[in-house]
Amino acid sequence: EAQVTQNPRYLITVTGKKLTVTCSQNMNHEYMSWYRQDPGLGLRQIYYSMNVEVTDKGDVPEGYKVSRKEKRNFPLILESPSPNQTSLYFCASQGQRLIGTGELFFGEGSRLTVL
Amino acid sequence: GNSVTQMEGPVTLSEEAFLTINCTYTATGYPSLFWYVQYPGEGLQLLLKATKADDKGSNKGFEATYRKETTSFHLEKGSVQVSDSAVYFCALSGPQAGNNRKLIWGLGTSLAVNP
Repeated sequence: EAQVTQNPRYLITVTGKKLTVTCSQNMNHEYMSWYRQDPGLGLRQIYYSMNVEVTDKGDVPEGYKVSRKEKRNFPLILESPSPNQTSLYFCASQGQRLIGTGELFFGEGSRLTVL
Repeated sequence: GNSVTQMEGPVTLSEEAFLTINCTYTATGYPSLFWYVQYPGEGLQLLLKATKADDKGSNKGFEATYRKETTSFHLEKGSVQVSDSAVYFCALSGPQAGNNRKLIWGLGTSLAVNP
């Protein structure tokens, strides 16, 4: 089954404790992206990656890091989480043949709470 | 810049009622327009899309027509079901910064359908 898998789905942590949210897709997609979803602000892009070893900032990259060492994986790293990073995070991917179509495949989301 | 405006929710309807969720956009050029749906506890998934003026996207009984003259892409369904309860997002894709396949998102409209 084609899917984008995120882990963990839920996490409560404390300020300053490094964490990683993993994202893996099994569709051999070149493009992957991270979004955060906040009430009243909608979906905002954090980082994206066009392919292995190619990443770039989205609209709200501050406080986040990413890496793309393998095509299927695109982890989101919070080196020193702060309460303003409490949010619902989504990973999305898109294959080359869908370029320009707007059809993204989303993971189920990771709800992060930073105390 | 490009933007999407959706009607605010929540929208509460009885089963079999008619649904309209308004979406208007501002964009340069000729964007593609999308409706995504987010069911409770799940990621977003593409519901329907339209790529040029006067196109009608349709899926699962939902329809939306790309109206360039009114810059609108309103979502409609003739008879909603309880299973349609979800958050609906309008989005557009337009000129991309580099190759970033970023969509411009509305804030989402929550729909609750009561039996």
